[in-house]
Amino acid sequence: DAKTTQPPSMDCAEGRAANLPCNHSTISGNEYVYWYRQIHSQGPQYIIHGLKNNETNEMASLIITEDRKSSTLILPHATLRDTAVYYCIVRVASGGGSNYKLTFGKGTLLTVNP
Amino acid sequence: GAGVSQSPSNKVTEKGKDVELRCDPISGHTALYWYRQSLGQGLEFLIYFQGNSAPDKSGLPSDRFSAERTGGSVSTLTIQRTQQEDSAVYLCASSLEGRSGELFFGEGSRLTVL
Repeated sequence: DAKTTQPPSMDCAEGRAANLPCNHSTISGNEYVYWYRQIHSQGPQYIIHGLKNNETNEMASLIITEDRKSSTLILPHATLRDTAVYYCIVRVASGGGSNYKLTFGKGTLLTVNP
Repeated sequence: GAGVSQSPSNKVTEKGKDVELRCDPISGHTALYWYRQSLGQGLEFLIYFQGNSAPDKSGLPSDRFSAERTGGSVSTLTIQRTQQEDSAVYLCASSLEGRSGELFFGEGSRLTVL
């Protein structure tokens, strides 16, 4: 069952901010939002995660709406190397059972253009 | 290096042969996952190991697939009597206990069954 909805593709100009949206309207109170990306021919790479507060690290910023039904991943100054498929995933932060699995959807193919 | 190491990086085999794929997780990571990714497709969960607990094998597509993790470290994914539909990139990931949403992936093993 799909828990997140992302646009299949987006374009961004090099040096500009890339804003990648994700809808997760059925998110539960104990579920976090995780973002990964997969550059062509490489394994996925963890980017950032958050619960309800906005988060920032050296790679990106994560903005989560107050109702937590959607979020936006922001790459402040996109480079050509940021061209990748970006996955938005919701799941509990830790714990056993089937909830631990990260289920990857189809993601958004971000193409950064020169 | 300190990342997840997988071998072989490429494997070409004939239909009906058995193959073994190896994963060396990051030292100290207690959780280990196997995923596979067919050409142009998303990531498909296969199996999960966490410490000394019984592995979750719910994602294995058939009884031709098996995996083990020896000493809580290195894991081997074995595919018996390979079929052409087994052709895919097999990705291994590991994570720290308590941070199981932050997976570190290897570069994958590309399997081609002729």
